[in-house]
Amino acid sequence: KQEVTQIPAALSVPEGENLVLNCSFTDSAIYNLQWFRQDPGKGLTSLLLIQSSQREQTSGRLNASLDKSSGRSTLYIAASQPGDSATYLCAVRGNTDKLIFGTGTRLQVFP
Amino acid sequence: DAGVIQSPRHEVTEMGQEVTLRCKPISGHNSLFWYRQTMMRGLELLIYFNNNVPIDDSGMPEDRFSAKMPNASFSTLKIQPSEPRDSAVYFCASSLAGTSGRDFFGQGTRLTVV
Repeated sequence: KQEVTQIPAALSVPEGENLVLNCSFTDSAIYNLQWFRQDPGKGLTSLLLIQSSQREQTSGRLNASLDKSSGRSTLYIAASQPGDSATYLCAVRGNTDKLIFGTGTRLQVFP
Repeated sequence: DAGVIQSPRHEVTEMGQEVTLRCKPISGHNSLFWYRQTMMRGLELLIYFNNNVPIDDSGMPEDRFSAKMPNASFSTLKIQPSEPRDSAVYFCASSLAGTSGRDFFGQGTRLTVV
């Protein structure tokens, strides 16, 4: 059974810092991995999707990497801003089309 | 496209009443997912459909929960009778199955059963 773990559970940093959020999964037989952002009281927004054959994806200040063999992904946020404050979730999709979510990292960036 | 649309946004009901949550997926998407989110259990997949057919309902808590997808543009999640422990935020999401597409979530329905 696939299990997804995210570390740290919470993170509080000053504006401008570069951040790394971690995600690990137990079964490397995945189709793809997504990183989502959730603001309080809102739905989830998919930020980046990495195919199992890819090593990384970039969007603006965000960079996600994937090491499928070791069951790990990282989300790198460059030059963090207060507007980046949110909960970040990673999710893996196997061949059953189901998404398995981690428990998330709650990020707070203070001015 | 307006994205995934869920209604109502908030629902407060008394224990024992029937609750119906509604979802309109993104046009052209052929997979639809219902999730429940609580502080204790995080985000849980309840059921998902592919081409309007239920594929996996193993996450549905018990027989009080049922879901339907009568056509490609509409799905419902029904709880009958509702109980206080059903209080949660229920999300609907859609995607294009079999491709590398992302999942798109609705804004959710916050259900409170008193």
